[in-house]
Amino acid sequence: EPEVTQTPSHQVTQMGQEVILRCVPISNHLYFYWYRQILGQKVEFLVSFYNNEISEKSEIFDDQFSVERPDGSNFTLKIRSTKLEDSAMYFCASSGERGVAYEQYFGPGTRLTVT
Amino acid sequence: DQQVKQNSPSLSVQEGRISILNCDYTNSMFDYFLWYKKYPAEGPTFLISISSIKDKNEDGRFTVFLNKSAKHLSLHIVPSQPGDSAVYFCAASDIIGNQFYFGTGTSLTVIP
Repeated sequence: EPEVTQTPSHQVTQMGQEVILRCVPISNHLYFYWYRQILGQKVEFLVSFYNNEISEKSEIFDDQFSVERPDGSNFTLKIRSTKLEDSAMYFCASSGERGVAYEQYFGPGTRLTVT
Repeated sequence: DQQVKQNSPSLSVQEGRISILNCDYTNSMFDYFLWYKKYPAEGPTFLISISSIKDKNEDGRFTVFLNKSAKHLSLHIVPSQPGDSAVYFCAASDIIGNQFYFGTGTSLTVIP
């Protein structure tokens, strides 16, 4: 069964450093998402992406964040200068269509630890 | 601003009994609701969904009920099995479906 994959599974970085979290969505999907979950808190939407541009982003997704689909398979989230409060699980998701009839498939997540 | 709320952080149920997980929302524009199950160290997995034109959707042991006037939905699992032990998130979206709002999750433990 097709699945969303994410690398690395765990990333440790120092405050102020740049990190890139990578995702490989399901191959025929067109809509891509990033979510994060701070330990003990709810899953929060960060950004959605379609046709090589951001469709929607939350207040969390400020100028420190960017997303890119550099090739036909990868979907990346970059945090330019990490802060301690960026420590969280980051989940990538993809769906075949946007909208209510199509569910998002989630990857296993990348745990980001900022020290 | 928590638009989707799950007020019970945890729930314990005996194997074979019914598990009822509840979710409340505040935004009347929400039109589509989903339940996800999450095991530790894994991403959320889609479980079941319901659109606002229905008040019930059933898939095997899982049934979701929607009460739009009360802005409330619930997930029923019957009979509950130990493998159902996980964190359950409800999520909601408007009809466009570009962004989903998640509740904080309910940790279900099914006791053998």
